Amino acid sequence: TQLLEQSPQFLSIQEGENLTVYCNSSSVFSSLQWYRQEPGEGPVLLVTVVTGGEVKKLKRLTFQFGDARKDSSLHITAAQPGDTGLYLCAGAGGAGSYQLTFGKGTKLSVIP
Amino acid sequence: DTGVSQDPRHKITKRGQNVTFRCDPISEHNRLYWYRQTLGQGPEFLTYFQNEAQLEKSRLLSDRFSAERPKGSFSTLEIQRTEQGDSAMYLCASSSGTLLGYTFGSGTRLTVV
Repeated sequence: TQLLEQSPQFLSIQEGENLTVYCNSSSVFSSLQWYRQEPGEGPVLLVTVVTGGEVKKLKRLTFQFGDARKDSSLHITAAQPGDTGLYLCAGAGGAGSYQLTFGKGTKLSVIP
Repeated sequence: DTGVSQDPRHKITKRGQNVTFRCDPISEHNRLYWYRQTLGQGPEFLTYFQNEAQLEKSRLLSDRFSAERPKGSFSTLEIQRTEQGDSAMYLCASSSGTLLGYTFGSGTRLTVV
């Protein structure tokens, strides 16, 4: 069974601060995706990383896929209240399996 | 492109009743997925369709659950003899390839009383 551990589980910061969310596993994934989810809504895809060591930037968000494709991080620079939400990482992989394995998420609150 | 649509958004049902949810994926996506999410957890995989073929089912999908995608377009998820433990958000997603990421619908919130 593939498991993804996300940390921290909860994060409350002041507007303008930087933060990093981690996603770790003992399993290798063919790709890893990050989603953001607001209460009562479905997750929205932020990015997909495929290559070990890959770094992708999306405005103030920086995503990194570990060299061994077992872990990933999401760094937010100068957080804004609009960044508030649940951040989920999800791994794809395993021969013959089409499912994504999701972490439990990191609930981020950015206080104005 | 109107995204992935799910209906209804909310459903309250009595224990023992049957419920059916509908998902309309993005029209050009041939892959459709159902997930279940409970409070404080990430989504858990239930089942996967490629066109009309159901190619993968989770052990979570007990014999009370059935999903169909009869013409490779919309899909339905039926839960028979609902139990309180079935209370959750049921999410549908579609994609044209795993590496491209999923587009999720807004979900159906089921409450079994």
